[in-house]
Amino acid sequence: GENVEQHPSTLSVQEGDSAVIKCTYSDSASNYFPWYKQELGKRPQLIIDIRSNVGEKKDQRIAVTLNKTAKHFSLHITETQPEDSAVYFCAASKGNQFYFGTGTSLTVIP
Amino acid sequence: DAEITQSPRHKITETGRQVTLACHQTWNHNNMFWYRQDLGHGLRLIHYSYGVQDTNKGEVSDGYSVSRSNTEDLPLTLESAASSQTSVYFCASSEYVAGTAIFGPGTRLTVT
Repeated sequence: GENVEQHPSTLSVQEGDSAVIKCTYSDSASNYFPWYKQELGKRPQLIIDIRSNVGEKKDQRIAVTLNKTAKHFSLHITETQPEDSAVYFCAASKGNQFYFGTGTSLTVIP
Repeated sequence: DAEITQSPRHKITETGRQVTLACHQTWNHNNMFWYRQDLGHGLRLIHYSYGVQDTNKGEVSDGYSVSRSNTEDLPLTLESAASSQTSVYFCASSEYVAGTAIFGPGTRLTVT
């Protein structure tokens, strides 16, 4: 099966700085990579996703990059705000099920 | 508006009891999933279904079962609850197999 590793497990940044979360995957057949944000006590919600035929995708302050050769993908958040504080999960899928990373707890310090 | 709901939201049960967690979606999605979330482990897949009468085991399926008799519902049953099954359980559904998964609000289960 797929193995998704996510780093770091915790991340603190000053408001306005950038945050980067990295994930690696093991199965080269994986072709869909979503990122979820989970606020305390809430359900995970999709914030951005990328498919294997694309190297980068951007949505306002959030971007995701994918390196298929190295089998890693990253979430970039620019100009961080306190409301970005949450746990972020990466996932990989090859069409049958999702495999999630263990999560990154991001704290944005005002 | 379409939604995915779970019930109960909180449950306390005793070791050895059978427990059923409900999941209901009105997205008309064929694909439904059950995950458990534990600190340090992220989201781990318990069971999933690609349509009516279809069920499959995930990576942590021991002690759990599901059935899919219609498109809207995928109940999760703990045959004989164990303390190791204390967790937060999330149901999810997706339109495409490798598409966006929409999560339910979660059920916090405590087994004493």
